Amino acid sequence: GQSLEQPSEVTAVEGAIVQINCTYQTSGFYGLSWYQQHDGGAPTFLSYNALDGLEETGRFSSFLSRSDSYGYLLLQELQMKDSASYFCAVGNYGQNFVFGPGTRLSVLP
Amino acid sequence: AAGVIQSPRHLIKEKRETATLKCYPIPRHDTVYWYQQGPGQDPQFLISFYEKMQSDKGSIPDRFSAQQFSDYHSELNMSSLELGDSALYFCASSTGTSGYSGANVLTFGAGSRLTVL
Repeated sequence: GQSLEQPSEVTAVEGAIVQINCTYQTSGFYGLSWYQQHDGGAPTFLSYNALDGLEETGRFSSFLSRSDSYGYLLLQELQMKDSASYFCAVGNYGQNFVFGPGTRLSVLP
Repeated sequence: AAGVIQSPRHLIKEKRETATLKCYPIPRHDTVYWYQQGPGQDPQFLISFYEKMQSDKGSIPDRFSAQQFSDYHSELNMSSLELGDSALYFCASSTGTSGYSGANVLTFGAGSRLTVL
């Protein structure tokens, strides 16, 4: 089977840096993705890692270590609008994506 | 830019009734995914289609069925509805086969909120 673990909640203040970790167990793994979802909205794609290392996209960066089955999403210069749920998702060769339980990020003024 | 279109946005049904949700993927996207998301939960994968053929199946109840048509739109049919089926149903689309980088970027529709009374 497949399983992913993320912290359920993270709180930080505006301007800070926060890291959301994700560990996974899956077969046929080929990549780790991150999605952001605001309350009542649809998940939106943030970042994707197929290879080990860091991918940077503006204020967001994502890291993957395939040997450790671990990745993280790094959010810098936090803004109030970053308050949302963040999901890691594992893609595998079965044409499906399994989402983690989600981390609810609260950004405080 | 065109997005993933889902209809209806809201649907209210009684127990044991039938509901059909529709999804129109982004043009030239060949893969469609259906997800069910309950309140405060992560999206649960139901089923996916690649080039109009079912490509993978997740936690989709036997009461549910889905298909992808020749124009690539997809429909999720739900019968004998139960209270527990109340959820937000998302359709997403992507392009490329498994392992291809484009296949990892799922674009989600706004979702269809089903309420079963």
